[in-house]
Amino acid sequence: KAGVTQTPRYLIKTRGQQVTLSCSPISGHRSVSWYQQTPGQGLQFLFEYFSETQRNKGNFPGRFSGRQFSNSRSEMNVSTLELGDSALYLCASSLEDNSPLHFGNGTRLTVT
Amino acid sequence: QQQVKQSPQSLIVQKGGISIINCAYENTAFDYFPWYQQFPGKGPALLIAIRPDVSEKKEGRFTISFNKSAKQFSLHIMDSQPGDSATYFCAAKGGFNKFYFGSGTKLNVKP
Repeated sequence: KAGVTQTPRYLIKTRGQQVTLSCSPISGHRSVSWYQQTPGQGLQFLFEYFSETQRNKGNFPGRFSGRQFSNSRSEMNVSTLELGDSALYLCASSLEDNSPLHFGNGTRLTVT
Repeated sequence: QQQVKQSPQSLIVQKGGISIINCAYENTAFDYFPWYQQFPGKGPALLIAIRPDVSEKKEGRFTISFNKSAKQFSLHIMDSQPGDSATYFCAAKGGFNKFYFGSGTKLNVKP
């Protein structure tokens, strides 16, 4: 079974631009979550989607948004990029509630 | 407010030794406690997990000990190997698959 796939692996953007990251969950998994990983803050929850509905959102500004499609694939968007948005963005999928998260290898975003 | 506190930040263990990483949580509503292992350039991978109605779970060389009354849980890696050198994260699950992660422990197993 293929794991969680995130594209692209690396991105370099300029302040003020926007970016879209993509995630394909494990087949059959309906829950998709996004996390931001930085050396200073560790793994921070961004949001979680289940069957196209956002069920939970972390403490991030409105510049961070996401969506989930009917095939469970998900995208997250960051608008008006700031230098502090440089991070590894991780997508994780799970089969259902109370199931473990399975992470992709992330998208490394660098904002210059 | 940090929901899950993890220690130590880094750990050096000799090959064959026992590695112990500790975590403490605040919210008694947390109902699932996994440990993840992360290698450089990779996403975290699930290692082992426990639910609060169990005090200990063992899988191979990895054991979770869980103390519900103290709101603490720990990971023990027996017979530590150089290939275990990685960063380890504890986590706790709140509602709707929202996980709170510890700050990570960088483990270095010396040959």
